[in-house]
Amino acid sequence: DIVMTQSPDSLAVSLGERATINCKSSQSVLYSSNNENYLAWYQQIPGQPPKLLIYWASTRESGVPDRFSGSGSGTDFTLTISSLQAEDVAVYYCQQYYSTPITFGPGTKVDIK
Amino acid sequence: EVQLLESGGGLVQPGGSLRLSCAASGFTFSSYAMSWVRQAPGKGLEWVSGVSGSGGSTFYADSVKGRFTISRDNSKNTLYLHMDSLRAEDTAVYYCAKVGSTMTTLNWYDPWGQGTLVTVSS
Repeated sequence: DIVMTQSPDSLAVSLGERATINCKSSQSVLYSSNNENYLAWYQQIPGQPPKLLIYWASTRESGVPDRFSGSGSGTDFTLTISSLQAEDVAVYYCQQYYSTPITFGPGTKVDIK
Repeated sequence: EVQLLESGGGLVQPGGSLRLSCAASGFTFSSYAMSWVRQAPGKGLEWVSGVSGSGGSTFYADSVKGRFTISRDNSKNTLYLHMDSLRAEDTAVYYCAKVGSTMTTLNWYDPWGQGTLVTVSS
């Protein structure tokens, strides 16, 4: 199984400042035949289901604000919120879909400082 | 608009059974693989099971293999999860989720339903 880890567990950022979340997979999720990283990011606001933000490691889902961006390749990935807004308070999860079982990171809680 | 509506959750005793349903609308149901993902209270996300668009291929987490059965009825646009031999550690909100693109079971999930709570307790 591919184990996903995230850091930090939580972070508090001032409004308008940058938030950076890291995700690491225990093996590469880069598929050589199409050069795509099988990595997605989700936002979960308390009391709501997860919402897709990013797929293929860096493709923003339609309707997602452009302050959210994803980067990385192979085993190391980053989700960046360039200018934190109050509505971004949530838990963020990475997910690999390279192989079954599908696995998620443990989540990173983002709060306002 | 794509909508997923889960039902069937509730309180069940250890060793009992339950069947969850997920009614889908707003897309060609048979063209997309579907999955169940659960979230124990205050915990993270755990993939439970997935099924191809035709229903011919199914996949399970080791934690539920042999106890849970995923299925779908494409004529009714409905996904199911039959859960047997339930344990306390199966207590969670169960979400159904649609994969993002056709012709694959290995994909991101978009959207997710609102979830249904399963509580296993005596």
